[in-house]
Amino acid sequence: AQSVTQPDIHITVSEGASLELRCNYSYGATPYLFWYVQSPGQGLQLLLKYFSGDTLVQGIKGFEAEFKRSQSSFNLRKPSVHWSDAAEYFCAVVGAEYGNKLVFGAGTILRVKS
Amino acid sequence: EPEVTQTPSHQVTQMGQEVILRCVPISNHLYFYWYRQILGQKVEFLVSFYNNEISEKSEIFDDQFSVERPDGSNFTLKIRSTKLEDSAMYFCASSELESTEAFFGQGTRLTVV
Repeated sequence: AQSVTQPDIHITVSEGASLELRCNYSYGATPYLFWYVQSPGQGLQLLLKYFSGDTLVQGIKGFEAEFKRSQSSFNLRKPSVHWSDAAEYFCAVVGAEYGNKLVFGAGTILRVKS
Repeated sequence: EPEVTQTPSHQVTQMGQEVILRCVPISNHLYFYWYRQILGQKVEFLVSFYNNEISEKSEIFDDQFSVERPDGSNFTLKIRSTKLEDSAMYFCASSELESTEAFFGQGTRLTVV
C-alpha cells in the first residue's frame, strides 16, 4: 500500500543547531509533496510544497526541503532552529495512487532546548 | 490573507447525540475536505467534496457521517450518533484545484463523553 513514513517520532535539537526531518514515501510516480507544521492546539500550516522543477524548495519560516527521486525522500531542513519552531511536523503527499487526497505521515515532534 | 474557519473550536457531546461541525472554506476554492486526528495519532482523511457531491471517502466515513454544503459558503460535517471513538480533532480543508495544496482550518476538538 502507498504510504508516507516519518521514521523519527521525536527529535530534540538545541536552539541554533541545524535540523533535518526525514520523510519517505512509497509511490510509483512522483507525487506532490508537502510539509505541514502543527503547533500545540493549532491547525495545520503549510510550510512548503513540491510539484515539479527545482528539487530544492524554499518555504516559510526559513525551512527548505529537498526532493530526491532516487531515495523517494523529501526531507525538511532548517539551518538554525529557533525555540518557536517547537511543534509537530507532518510530511504529506498527493497523487493519483493515493486517490488525489492528502496522505499524511505519522508526524515528528520537534523539541528545542535552550 | 484568506483562511479556512471552523466552528466551534471545542465541542463536548454525549454519546449518541448528533453533532454538526461547521467550516467556511476559502471563497474561490472548489474542493473541500474533512480530516480527523485522534489524539496522538496521524491525520486521517475522511472525505472530499466537489461540485456538491462526495468525490471520495475513506472507510472511516461510514453511514454515521455526512457532509453538506447548504449554501455558498458553509461546509458541514454531521455525525449522527456519536461514539466515544469519534473523539478527535476534526480539520476542514479546501483547495483551489484537485491535488494542489490544501489549506486547513484551526480544527474543532470534539469530545464524546
